[in-house]
Parts: sequence; structure tokens; C-alpha cells
Amino acid sequence: KAGVTQTPRYLIKTRGQQVTLSCSPISGHRSVSWYQQTPGQGLQFLFEYFSETQRNKGNFPGRFSGRQFSNSRSEMNVSTLELGDSALYLCATKAAGANVLTFGAGSRLTVL
Amino acid sequence: QKEVEQNSGPLSVPEGAIASLNCTYSDRVSQSFFWYRQYSGKSPELIMSIYSNGDKEDGRFTAQLNKASQYVSLLIRDSQPSDSATYLCAVLKNSGGYQKVTFGTGTKLQVIP
Repeated sequence: KAGVTQTPRYLIKTRGQQVTLSCSPISGHRSVSWYQQTPGQGLQFLFEYFSETQRNKGNFPGRFSGRQFSNSRSEMNVSTLELGDSALYLCATKAAGANVLTFGAGSRLTVL
Repeated sequence: QKEVEQNSGPLSVPEGAIASLNCTYSDRVSQSFFWYRQYSGKSPELIMSIYSNGDKEDGRFTAQLNKASQYVSLLIRDSQPSDSATYLCAVLKNSGGYQKVTFGTGTKLQVIP
């Protein structure tokens, strides 16, 4: 059974650019959550998607957005990148009715 | 006040000793509690979940929950160098009709051979 797949694994961008990250959940997992992890702040919740609908959102500016497709794959987008957006972005999925998150390997974003 | 608080460490213990990791949470309506382990450069992986007051044991790991004190702990017996990692406490509660999981910032554990 394939795990949670995140692409790309590493990327470097410059300030002002935008970036799109992708997450493919475990087969059967319809809930996809995104987290930002930085050394100082730990894991910060960005948003959660279920059945193509955002049902929870963290305290991040509108530059951070996401969506989910009918096959449960999810993307998150960050526009107008800032240096402080440099972080590990983690996707976590779970099956309907379950409460245990399974994480992908993450996408490490560096903003120069 | 942070929703989930952990001492960042590092917590250093000698090989074979018991490592004790602690976590407090602020919201009394929190329902489920988890410990994740994260090795450097890797993603978090679940090692324990606990839902009711008391102790839950799984091999060398014991999770303890005290809802009255809003306190969760993880004990690692016979600590091994391979246990060296950051341990994240996570708390689940209902938020707006849906479940929300909040993580602490993690405690770094170093097991000294």
C-alpha cells in the first residue's frame, strides 16, 4: 500500500514568486491536512480538505491557499513568497472516521 | 497560552535509562492524544495514541493521560540511541463540527551510549 506522496521534495524560490505543492494521499484517505514546520514554531496547521471542501483553516494569511481534487489529491499554493515562508511543508492524510494522521515526507521550500 | 506545550529540551538520558517526556494542553474538551516521533530530516510517525485516563503500554513505550490535570506523558523504558529524535505531542478536538489536530513544538531526546 503506497504511502502519502508529496512533490516536489525540495525547491528553491525567490521572494515574490509563487509555489505549488502536491500531496497524493493513501488510497481511501479522503482527508488531507497541510502543516508548516519551522524550527521556531513547530508544526503549524494550515488547512484541511475533505471531499474537495476546505473544512478547517489555520491562522495563515490569504497568500496560502489550497484545493482538493475529486481523487483526493490536494495542492497548496503560496503566492508572493516571503523569506519567512522557508519551511518544511507536510501533508497528512487520514481515512474517514479515523483520527490518526499519516504524514508524507514533506516538501522543503527555501525562499531566497 | 499555547494550546499544546512541551519542553523543547534537549532531554539527555543514558542508554538503558527511562526517558520521560511531558506535554500539557489548554482545552479541556480535547478528546484524543498522540505521540509522534520525528527523526532529523524525516516526517513525523505515530508511536502512541491514548484516549482515556490512565496508562497505555506498547512495548518499551507507555503513554499516560490525566485529563483533570490536562497532562499527557510518554515514558520510554530501556532507552536506546535509536530513540534519539524529536517527540511531538498532538491533541485532537472538535473545531467547528470537525476534528482539528494541534501539535506541540516537540521535545528533542538524546540517548547517550
